[in-house]
Amino acid sequence: EPEVTQTPSHQVTQMGQEVILRCVPISNHLYFYWYRQILGQKVEFLVSFYNNEISEKSEIFDDQFSVERPDGSNFTLKIRSTKLEDSAMYFCATAEGAGLATYEQYFGPGTRLTVT
Amino acid sequence: EDKVVQSPLSLVVHEGDTVTLNCSYEVTNFRSLLWYKQEKKAPTFLFMLTSSGIEKKSGRLSSILDKKELFSILNITATQTGDSAIYLCAVESRGTVSNFGNEKLTFGTGTRLTIIP
Repeated sequence: EPEVTQTPSHQVTQMGQEVILRCVPISNHLYFYWYRQILGQKVEFLVSFYNNEISEKSEIFDDQFSVERPDGSNFTLKIRSTKLEDSAMYFCATAEGAGLATYEQYFGPGTRLTVT
Repeated sequence: EDKVVQSPLSLVVHEGDTVTLNCSYEVTNFRSLLWYKQEKKAPTFLFMLTSSGIEKKSGRLSSILDKKELFSILNITATQTGDSAIYLCAVESRGTVSNFGNEKLTFGTGTRLTIIP
């Protein structure tokens, strides 16, 4: 069964450093999302992305965050200058469609980001 | 602000018991309600519900949505130790920034289900 994959599985970085988290969507999926889950807390929406543009973003997704699909396959989340509070599990999710019909979002295994 | 509340937060039962997990929500621009199972890492998809009163079933799991009362339940019958996990309820809503592809999920805190052999 096709899966969403994410790399790395665990990233440790120092405060102030830039990190890039990578996701490879399921091949026929066109809608991409990033979520994060701080340890012991809820899964929180960060951003949705379609047709090489951000469709929606949450208040968490400030200027330190950016997303892109640089090569038509990987979908990346960049955090420019990490803070301690960015430590969390980051999940990529993808969906086949959106809009008038509803499509379930499939989640990748996550990247655990630890900022020291 | 969109809100999803799950209850109970934690549940411990014996193998073979039946459990009911609850999810209530308040969201604008509701599109669907989803149930996920989270064991170690990634939430894995269980059900998507869009219409009231239509039960979705998969083996020992079933779920139903009430859009008038704004809640859903997830039932698991004849529980097994492999059902031990956190069960997440999420509501899909349409955002405000653009008109297309702007769906987002708002999650509840989850119900931690533990099945004792």
